[in-house]
Amino acid sequence: QVQLQESGPGLVKPSETLSLTCTVSGGSISSGTFYWTWIRQPAGKGLEWIGRIYKSGYTYYNPSLKSRVTLSLDTSKNQFSLELRSVTAADTAVYFCAREAEILRRFDSWGPGTLVAVSS
Amino acid sequence: DIVMTQTPLSLSVTPGQPASISCKSDQSLLHADGKTYLYWYLQRPNQSPQLIIYEVSSRFSGVPDRFSGSGSGTDFTLKISRVEAEDVGVYYCMQGIEIPPYTFGQGTKLEI
Repeated sequence: QVQLQESGPGLVKPSETLSLTCTVSGGSISSGTFYWTWIRQPAGKGLEWIGRIYKSGYTYYNPSLKSRVTLSLDTSKNQFSLELRSVTAADTAVYFCAREAEILRRFDSWGPGTLVAVSS
Repeated sequence: DIVMTQTPLSLSVTPGQPASISCKSDQSLLHADGKTYLYWYLQRPNQSPQLIIYEVSSRFSGVPDRFSGSGSGTDFTLKISRVEAEDVGVYYCMQGIEIPPYTFGQGTKLEI
């Protein structure tokens, strides 16, 4: 059973870069047919898909965030990461990492989420 | 982006009674491959979302059979035949036909 766990700073200053890592256990991110995904949820609000990365390193981003987002993989650590640049208070949210089954297009495993606040 | 609209936004149900949530998309979710990419997720309080229904009507592994999904094209419904206490949370529909990005409905809060 694959498990995902987000980690990173809980507080980021405006205009700086938010960096989060998702550690995957119970399966390799470089095997199988899965996309590794980030989704966020502002407090009391709905879900927003940020982007996904494949084992090849190929990425897809939400057009609304594309200019500020970079996803990357570290296969040696079985981790994938999110960088969101030039953050504002609107980027305050719980950030989830998740696994998406390729072709099936479903998020079948999620991390518990981590709250990131943007504040000076 | 495809817009997903859920109704109602909140629902209070007596245990043992049925519940129904509607989800409408502003474009058809029927793909040329014959599949309809509509999903339902449940986010229990203080938890991450979990997949309950995929491709309109298929229950994910371990999901009780009191959950069922139906619909086609742009109109979809999630039904719970007999609500139990553990069903409390926020239900989201999601489309996966036109990506990026995946888009979700606003969520429907189910209370008992």
